[in-house]
Amino acid sequence: DAGVIQSPRHEVTEMGQEVTLRCKPISGHNSLFWYRQTMMRGLELLIYFNNNVPIDDSGMPEDRFSAKMPNASFSTLKIQPSEPRDSAVYFCASSLGPQETQYFGPGTRLLVL
Amino acid sequence: DQQVKQNSPSLSVQEGRISILNCDYTNSMFDYFLWYKKYPAEGPTFLISISSIKDKNEDGRFTVFLNKSAKHLSLHIVPSQPGDSAVYFCAAPQSSGYALNFGKGTSLLVTP
Repeated sequence: DAGVIQSPRHEVTEMGQEVTLRCKPISGHNSLFWYRQTMMRGLELLIYFNNNVPIDDSGMPEDRFSAKMPNASFSTLKIQPSEPRDSAVYFCASSLGPQETQYFGPGTRLLVL
Repeated sequence: DQQVKQNSPSLSVQEGRISILNCDYTNSMFDYFLWYKKYPAEGPTFLISISSIKDKNEDGRFTVFLNKSAKHLSLHIVPSQPGDSAVYFCAAPQSSGYALNFGKGTSLLVTP
């Protein structure tokens, strides 16, 4: 099994630009999570999907952030417009169910200049 | 508000000795706890968990101890190996069951 796949692995962009992060969950997993890791706040949940439906987006910091899951094998996290404080590592994770073990992707390291 | 806290950002241990990583929590409603391990440029991987009805869970060289009265858990690695060098995160699910509260991690370095 390939595990959770994230792209790109690194992204450098300028303030104001749109950024799109991509995630392919493990096949057969019904739950998908987007996390953000920063030095100040550690790992925090941004949004949770179950069966492609957003269940909890209370962790999404602002309206500049949006996430979609058009099908069971693909999800995107978009930041528009990006700001320097969005610089962080963004992880996608998937699990068989909401309370099952979460498997993380390798992350996308985002730097907004 | 950090409900899961790892107060030691780093730990250095000699190969073959015991590594003890500590974690404190504030929410007495947490009903199980997990440890994740993270290598550089990789995502966290699940290591071991413990239910709140137990005080110990063992898996090979890894043992987690839970002290509910003190709201404290610890991960013991015996014997420590250089390949154990990584960042270890303590986590607990919120009442929703899916949202994990993570500590900020402890970076373990096992020296030969």
